[in-house]
Amino acid sequence: EAGVAQSPRYKIIEKRQSVAFWCNPISGHATLYWYQQILGQGPKLLIQFQNNGVVDDSQLPKDRFSAERLKGVDSTLKIQPAKLEDSAVYLCASSLGRGRVNTEAFFGQGTRLTVV
Amino acid sequence: AQSVTQPDIHITVSEGASLELRCNYSYGATPYLFWYVQSPGQGLQLLLKYFSGDTLVQGIKGFEAEFKRSQSSFNLRKPSVHWSDAAEYFCAVGSTGGGNKLTFGTGTQLKVEL
Repeated sequence: EAGVAQSPRYKIIEKRQSVAFWCNPISGHATLYWYQQILGQGPKLLIQFQNNGVVDDSQLPKDRFSAERLKGVDSTLKIQPAKLEDSAVYLCASSLGRGRVNTEAFFGQGTRLTVV
Repeated sequence: AQSVTQPDIHITVSEGASLELRCNYSYGATPYLFWYVQSPGQGLQLLLKYFSGDTLVQGIKGFEAEFKRSQSSFNLRKPSVHWSDAAEYFCAVGSTGGGNKLTFGTGTQLKVEL
């Protein structure tokens, strides 16, 4: 079974530039998550999708971050404009879905973003 | 709001010694609890999970964890550590009200001395 795919693995940009990350979840997984992991911290949820609808985006900085999940499969996370404090690893995860008890989230390898 | 505390930022053990990583959670109902491991440059790999039932759960790589409701704890243990266990370990609590949102602790960095 293929895992969660993310690209790119690494990205270096200058502040005020824009950047986009892509995620392809495990086939059949209805729920998709984007987490931000700053160095030395645990992952923090940015946004959660159920199919192509947003379940939780309470911690997404909406003035600069946006995310979409068209057709309920792949997802993209965009930052525009980037700030130095956005330097982090961006992890995508997927799970079977809401209402499914005993489900777990599977994580991709992440995209390491460095803003200079 | 749910939260997780991992009081030990760094732990060093000798290879072959036993290991216990601490995790305390705050959640209003019976939680879903998880332990993940992260090696450098890698994503998170699930070690074990607790949803209900037996409070002692077995995971991969010889790890186990015990859910203690009275102490709001879910400590991770391994009887004999291998050098390849050196990594960062994250405890997480999941919401049970649908959505399965995970809240992570700050992690414990494990170093194994040969």
